[in-house]
Order: sequence, then structure tokens, then C-alpha cells
Amino acid sequence: DAMVIQNPRYQVTQFGKPVTLSCSQTLNHNVMYWYQQKSSQAPKLLFHYYDKDFNNEADTPDNFQSRRPNTSFCFLDIRSPGLGDAAMYLCATSSQGGGNEQFFGPGTRLTVL
Amino acid sequence: GENVEQHPSTLSVQEGDSAVIKCTYSDSASNYFPWYKQELGKRPQLIIDIRSNVGEKKDQRIAVTLNKTAKHFSLHITETQPEDSAVYFCAAKNYGGSQGNLIFGKGTKLSVKP
Repeated sequence: DAMVIQNPRYQVTQFGKPVTLSCSQTLNHNVMYWYQQKSSQAPKLLFHYYDKDFNNEADTPDNFQSRRPNTSFCFLDIRSPGLGDAAMYLCATSSQGGGNEQFFGPGTRLTVL
Repeated sequence: GENVEQHPSTLSVQEGDSAVIKCTYSDSASNYFPWYKQELGKRPQLIIDIRSNVGEKKDQRIAVTLNKTAKHFSLHITETQPEDSAVYFCAAKNYGGSQGNLIFGKGTKLSVKP
């Protein structure tokens, strides 16, 4: 019943080596979100797409970029990962960007060596 | 902007007892309040939500209450079971007009002892 799929589930990268995380959805939702979640903390919103419109949170580092080539796919690019970027990255989707449920993917756990 | 406070940060109960988690929010324009359950290493999953035109909502052993005047909402779990052990996050959002993002509380780690 996979509705929000994230690949890979585990990603190991080296300090400073670019990495891309991917998210796809079968729900045809028009809003897609990327969250960063560190251990014992709440998910922190990095940015989201409302259709093709990109919305960056004010405190999201420039090191994080995103692409959404179509409705189904969204990518998170970390240009130069630092040790502090090691975390779980969660993709989520919702319809209309309103009060409807956000469906989370299983997450990608990123390790930075 | 919105700020959501959640208490307690940890909660330990005996199987069969009730558990209550409380959240307060700051933005009176917030009108959607979901609760997510996150088991270790898994995704957050919505367990119940409430909108500002409702004061209480119940789904089997889980209920949520909302007090708009006081700007707080609570999750109630009755007859707790070991499988209820997880981290619970409350959130608030204003979904009117613009896109509005979920603002999460810091989470409550619930442990249910058999």
C-alpha cells in the first residue's frame, strides 16, 4: 500500500559529497514537503512545493535544494553535506495544501562520514 | 508565527491506564490540529485530527479535545496497550487562504508497561 515512497531508505555519504534523495507518490497530491528529523526531535520543515511553486522556509540552509520535475516526484539535493546534516529526511504529501492529512513517506536516513 | 508547546516530554503508564498529552498553541488563526504517532524508525502516522469547529472527537480508544478560547488541545488514550508505546506529536495549522504549514510540538515519548 505504498503511497509515498522514498529512496534510498539508507544513504551514506562523505563530508562535502553531494547527495540526492528521492520521493515519489501515487496519491496525485499537489503538495509535497521535505522535512528533516533529528533524533528525539520533531520533524522540521525544509521546504514544500504547492504544485510547481517552491516555498523555502526562512531558516533552511542554502546547502539544501529541491526539484519537482512532475506531480509524482520530488528530490532533495544536499550540495555539500556536513556532519550536522546527518538525520532522517521525511517526504510528505497532501492535497490542496489545506487542512487535509499529510501522508509521510518512510524516510531516508542519511549518514555523513 | 505559530508556536506549539507539548507536555509532557515523556510519559510512562501501566497497561490499561489512560494517557493524556497536552498541547498549547499561540496563533488564534490556527484551525486544524492533527496528532501523529511515530514508532521507532518509522514514519509519523496520523491517528486523529480535529478542526476548530469541533470541541471533541473520538475514535475507539483515542479522543482529542480542543479549547479554542484557551488555545489548547489534548490527546486522550484509554485502556492503553504496549503497542501504544511510541512518540506522539501534536501539530497546528491554519489552512484558510494560503498554504499554511504544520507546526509540530516537540513530541511525547509514551511508554506503556505490561
